[in-house]
Parts: sequence; C-alpha cells; structure tokens
Amino acid sequence: AQSVTQLGSHVSVSEGALVLLRCNYSSSVPPYLFWYVQYPNQGLQLLLKYTTGATLVKGINGFEAEFKKSETSFHLTKPSAHMSDAAEYFCAVSEGQAGTALIFGKGTTLSVSS
Amino acid sequence: NAGVMQNPRHLVRRRGQEARLRCSPMKGHSHVYWYRQLPEEGLKFMVYLQKENIIDESGMPKERFSAEFPKEGPSILRIQQVVRGDSAAYFCASSPDRVGFGEAFFGQGTRLTVV
Repeated sequence: AQSVTQLGSHVSVSEGALVLLRCNYSSSVPPYLFWYVQYPNQGLQLLLKYTTGATLVKGINGFEAEFKKSETSFHLTKPSAHMSDAAEYFCAVSEGQAGTALIFGKGTTLSVSS
Repeated sequence: NAGVMQNPRHLVRRRGQEARLRCSPMKGHSHVYWYRQLPEEGLKFMVYLQKENIIDESGMPKERFSAEFPKEGPSILRIQQVVRGDSAAYFCASSPDRVGFGEAFFGQGTRLTVV
C-alpha cells in the first residue's frame, strides 16, 4: 500500500527565507509524485509533479522539488518565500500510470512573516 | 473552459437527513474522483468513477455512502442518514485520463455541516 508522510504540520519562515517542506513516500511500484497547494476555503492547485525523467522538477510560483529514490523523498523548496506563499501544502503519490487515486499526506501549513 | 464545479459550496443538514453533493467535471474529462477532508487531516480518497462506472470505491464507507457518474449530468455523492461525523469538506477532482497520466483538477469543495 502507498503512503505519504509530511514531516512538520506547521512551518514558519520569514519573507525572503528558504522554504523547505518535507515529504517521504512509500510505494511498491515506481511512484508518480505531486505537490498541491490549498488556500483557505479553496480547492487544490497543482504546483508540480514528477512522473519519469529528470528528478528535479520545477513548478509554478518558483517552487521546485527533487525526487530522491534512495531516500524515498520528494521535498518541496523555494529559494525565497513571499507572503502570498502562506497556504497549506499537500504531497501526494499515485501508483504510476496504473494508479487510480492520489494518496495524500496530512499537509503542512506554511506561515510567512514579514 | 470552466473548471471543476461543485455545488453547493456549503450544505447544512440535520442528523438523519440526506446530503447530495454535485460535481461537474471539466469539459472533456471523463474521470472523476471524490475526496473527503477532515480538520487537521489530509484528503482521503473515497471513490473513482468513469462515465457510468465505479472503478475504485475502496475508500467509501460501506454504509450510507454512494456515488454515481451518469452518462448525462454531474457526478453525485450521496450520503444517507447523515451523522455529525460526516461533517467535512468534500472535494471532487476530474482528469482526462487516469490520475497517473496527468493532472487532476480539483473543485472548490462542498463543506457539509451536520447539526
């Protein structure tokens, strides 16, 4: 069975600081990995995804993530936080092309202070 | 191209009533997923449907919950005899193919409150 663990339910950074949101996964098959962002009372928006190929994936709003098979990790980073980045972030995994569902982590709330 | 449309956005039901949540997928999308989000929890997969077929319902509670995606019209998530524990945000997502092939687009959710 697949699972996703997001370390840290809350992360606080200062504006301009590095953002690092951690995600570890468990999958019995090569996974497809996703990061989604959710703003208050909104649905989820895809930030980026990894399927195959290059392990460093760039997404929207300056975010990127690196797939590390040996560490079963897919951490999300952004070099410089902006106030508008404050939101909840979800990591998700599916069973590659055979996957019928996204399995989500519990989410990490990112706070950005000025 | 309109996004995934869910209605109502907010729904209040008394214990024992029925709740019907609707989801209109994006144009051209024939794959629909329902998720439930509880406070302080991530999204929990409930059911995956293609037109007129339930493909994976491994996340659906065995009783009181049902889902359909008819040939015409929106997908419906139906909760019978609601209880307070059903209070949650319910999200629908759609995709043009299986989720692994591309992005699943999410609606803004229906927030169900059972009083």
